[in-house]
Amino acid sequence: AQTIHQWPVAEIKAVGSPLSLGCTIKGKSSPNLYWYWQATGGTLQQLFYSITVGQVESVVQLNLSASRPKDDQFILSTEKLLLSHSGFYLCAWRTGGSYEQYFGPGTRLTVL
Amino acid sequence: AQRVTQVQPTGSSQWGEEVTLDCSYETSEYFYRIFWYRQLFSGEMVFLIYQPSFDTQNQRSGRYSVVFQKSFKSISLVISASQPEDSGTYFCALSELITGYQNFYFGKGTSLTVIP
Repeated sequence: AQTIHQWPVAEIKAVGSPLSLGCTIKGKSSPNLYWYWQATGGTLQQLFYSITVGQVESVVQLNLSASRPKDDQFILSTEKLLLSHSGFYLCAWRTGGSYEQYFGPGTRLTVL
Repeated sequence: AQRVTQVQPTGSSQWGEEVTLDCSYETSEYFYRIFWYRQLFSGEMVFLIYQPSFDTQNQRSGRYSVVFQKSFKSISLVISASQPEDSGTYFCALSELITGYQNFYFGKGTSLTVIP
């Protein structure tokens, strides 16, 4: 069975500080991976996607970057947080042969 | 511009009732898919059902089904025999396959409360 893990569960960070959020999926090789951002009470915005190791495409940047260092790992980061980065970050995966995306538990980020 | 519209920000039902949640969307693609997800209070997103544009048959999965009106670019999620555990926020999402990747546009969601 596939499991998707996101870390940390929650973060409180200061404006201007760096950030690194992680996502790991186990039990599925070569998944397509996605990062989403959700403002409090808002809808989901697709940020990045990756089809393979080392390749990441940006959908909406929001002064963030993403990397895929391993087949099962997707990292979201920035060197300088903004207040507008606060929200809920969700990682999702799908296989090349299916269409539905499955989501991780999410990371709640508060920028003060 | 909003690609996916869910006009009902909130909804409620009594235990055992059938619930219908509406969604409309904009696309110029011939092939697309409409997905429904439920977001739990923890924030977890749970996949419910999806409808491919090329399938004229309304999809069903357990207590979930959809009413797909392609010509009107609208789709409704129907939950039969609703239960308090069905409470949460329901998101409709449009997915198109563009240049090899699958993009997702989500609506703003409908917050459903099922009253015991």
